[in-house]
Amino acid sequence: GAVVSQHPSRVICKSGTSVKIECRSLDFQATTMFWYRQFPKQSLMLMATSNEGSKATYEQGVEKDKFLINHASLTLSTLTVTSAHPEDSSFYICSAQNRDREYEQYFGPGTRLTVT
Amino acid sequence: AQKITQTQPGMFVQEKEAVTLDCTYDTSDQSYGLFWYKQPSSGEMIFLIYQGSYDEQNATEGRYSLNFQKARKSANLVISASQLGDSAMYFCAMQAAYSGAGSYQLTFGKGTKLSVIP
Repeated sequence: GAVVSQHPSRVICKSGTSVKIECRSLDFQATTMFWYRQFPKQSLMLMATSNEGSKATYEQGVEKDKFLINHASLTLSTLTVTSAHPEDSSFYICSAQNRDREYEQYFGPGTRLTVT
Repeated sequence: AQKITQTQPGMFVQEKEAVTLDCTYDTSDQSYGLFWYKQPSSGEMIFLIYQGSYDEQNATEGRYSLNFQKARKSANLVISASQLGDSAMYFCAMQAAYSGAGSYQLTFGKGTKLSVIP
């Protein structure tokens, strides 16, 4: 099946620093990628929709200046958490929508961010 | 707006028995898709099964089957012959026909934690 990778899988950073998370579709092209956030024992919450070559669409309540999204190519989207704080600690998951079969979405393995 | 409801926060099942995980949904769309994902403790989201709103037959994938009752707006997941490795969180999700800007967003339920007892 289609594969989506995320890097890093785990990251610990100090408060005030920025962290970049990469999401790559390895064997298909994705014009659209989605970024989710998941708190412990909770469901996935959509943060933003990332479209290749255009600005991301953020969900209500998500600060676009804090969570910078760049979808520079058909296989790569990045999420940068700027000036991270402990409350940003969470599990971040991306999914990629297959350009050729748009109803198909494949999830990355997730990135666990801990801000100290 | 779409909404997915999973009313069972946790379920227990004996190994080798069958279990049904409930999912109801609410949407005004005529065309939509319903998904079930499994999330083990590692965190990855594993696709299990898909049902299109116009599919007349219930979807099946190995030990997984989806009991789709369109009039009742329910899409329950049935796992037959449970295995210890089935212990995980299970999420029901709905995909709209079109979410704008070429995207097909997924809306997730809160999940059900399934524990398989030896």
